[in-house]
Amino acid sequence: AQSVTQPDIHITVSEGASLELRCNYSYGATPYLFWYVQSPGQGLQLLLKYFSGDTLVQGIKGFEAEFKRSQSSFNLRKPSVHWSDAAEYFCAVELGFQKLVFGTGTRLLVSP
Amino acid sequence: GAGVSQSPRYKVAKRGQDVALRCDPISGHVSLFWYQQALGQGPEFLTYFQNEAQLDKSGLPSDRFFAERPEGSVSTLKIQRTQQEDSAVYLCASSTPGAGYTFGSGTRLTVV
Repeated sequence: AQSVTQPDIHITVSEGASLELRCNYSYGATPYLFWYVQSPGQGLQLLLKYFSGDTLVQGIKGFEAEFKRSQSSFNLRKPSVHWSDAAEYFCAVELGFQKLVFGTGTRLLVSP
Repeated sequence: GAGVSQSPRYKVAKRGQDVALRCDPISGHVSLFWYQQALGQGPEFLTYFQNEAQLDKSGLPSDRFFAERPEGSVSTLKIQRTQQEDSAVYLCASSTPGAGYTFGSGTRLTVV
C-alpha cells in the first residue's frame, strides 16, 4: 500500500541554523510529492511540490526539497531557519484523483 | 471567495448527537475534498467530489459519515450519532486543474 514515512516526530533547531526534514515514500509509480506546513489552529499551506523534471524543487519561504528516486526520499531543507518557521510539517504523496496520503508530520521547534 | 471557508471553527457535541460541518470552497474550484486529522496525526482522506458528483468515499470510516455537495459548490459533512473517536479536526480543500489544493482552517470537533 502507498505510504509516507516521516521518521522524526520532533526536531529542534537553533535560529539561523540549517534544517533538513526527512520524508520517505512507498509508491509504485513516479509519485507527485508535496510538503505542507501547518501552524497551530490553521489549515495546511503548500510549501512546494514535485511532479517531474528537475529533482531539486524550490518553494516558498526559502524552502527547497530534493527528490531522490533511488532512496524513495523527498527531504525538505532550509539553509537558515527563522523563529517563524516553528510549525508542523507534512510530507504527502498524491494518488489518483488528486487524493493525498500524508505522513504523520514533524514538529519543528526553533530555539533562540 | 478568496479562500476555503469552514464553519463552525469549533464544535462540541455530546455523544450520540448529530453534527453538520460546512465547507465553502474557492469559487469555480471543481474538486472538493474532506480530510480527518486526529490529534498528533497527519490528515487522512475521507471523500472527494468533482462538481456535485461524489467520486470517492472510500475514506469515510463508517456509515455514520455522510457528505454531500448538491449544487457543486458548498459541501456539508454530516456525522450521525457521534462517538468519542470522531473527535478530530475536519479539513476541507478545494482545487482546480493546475492550481493545486487550498485547505481551509478546519473544524475542530470534540465529542464529550
